[in-house]
Amino acid sequence: EDKVVQSPLSLVVHEGDTVTLNCSYEVTNFRSLLWYKQEKKAPTFLFMLTSSGIEKKSGRLSSILDKKELFSILNITATQTGDSAVYLCAVSSGNTPLVFGKGTRLSVIA
Amino acid sequence: GAVVSQHPSRVICKSGTSVKIECRSLDFQATTMFWYRQFPKKSLMLMATSNEGSKATYEQGVEKDKFLINHASLTLSTLTVTSAHPEDSSFYICSARGLADNEQFFGPGTRLTVL
Repeated sequence: EDKVVQSPLSLVVHEGDTVTLNCSYEVTNFRSLLWYKQEKKAPTFLFMLTSSGIEKKSGRLSSILDKKELFSILNITATQTGDSAVYLCAVSSGNTPLVFGKGTRLSVIA
Repeated sequence: GAVVSQHPSRVICKSGTSVKIECRSLDFQATTMFWYRQFPKKSLMLMATSNEGSKATYEQGVEKDKFLINHASLTLSTLTVTSAHPEDSSFYICSARGLADNEQFFGPGTRLTVL
């Protein structure tokens, strides 16, 4: 059965800290790994990763995939209170629905 | 990223009525749309997968006669909650996957409250 495991489940940091969120997976026919940010509404798309070792970057957020070790990390530098959210990792096997992890709840305090 | 809209964003209805939620992909053709529900502070729960022009595939435990899904075109899917009851109150979110097959974008969600 396909599985995505995120860690930690929750995290509290102070503004300015750097955080690393982890996502490991076991899926057949891996095609891509996606990161989403969910605040009070529906998830918003952050990154899609398909190749190992290529970092994707957007402002203070970056992510990288290791297909050999079957994991991905999402880094957030210089965190701000607006980064507080649940970060979801999901894996795509193509035609089947995304398999989601349970998410990491990040709280950034001033 | 691509844009997916949902309408309405919030609905309050009486028990026993039916509610229709629309999901549209605004700037791409969605071959597949997914419907999720989410309870407060809980994970997304996939309800069904719909492909344009064919019947939806429902996840185990989801009543297909209660949650009617129609994917009439490559840009529109609808979810109708029939004879809604208070336990159907939840946050319903659709997502759409385009022809490229990898990226999947979420609509903003619809909060349903059944009194």
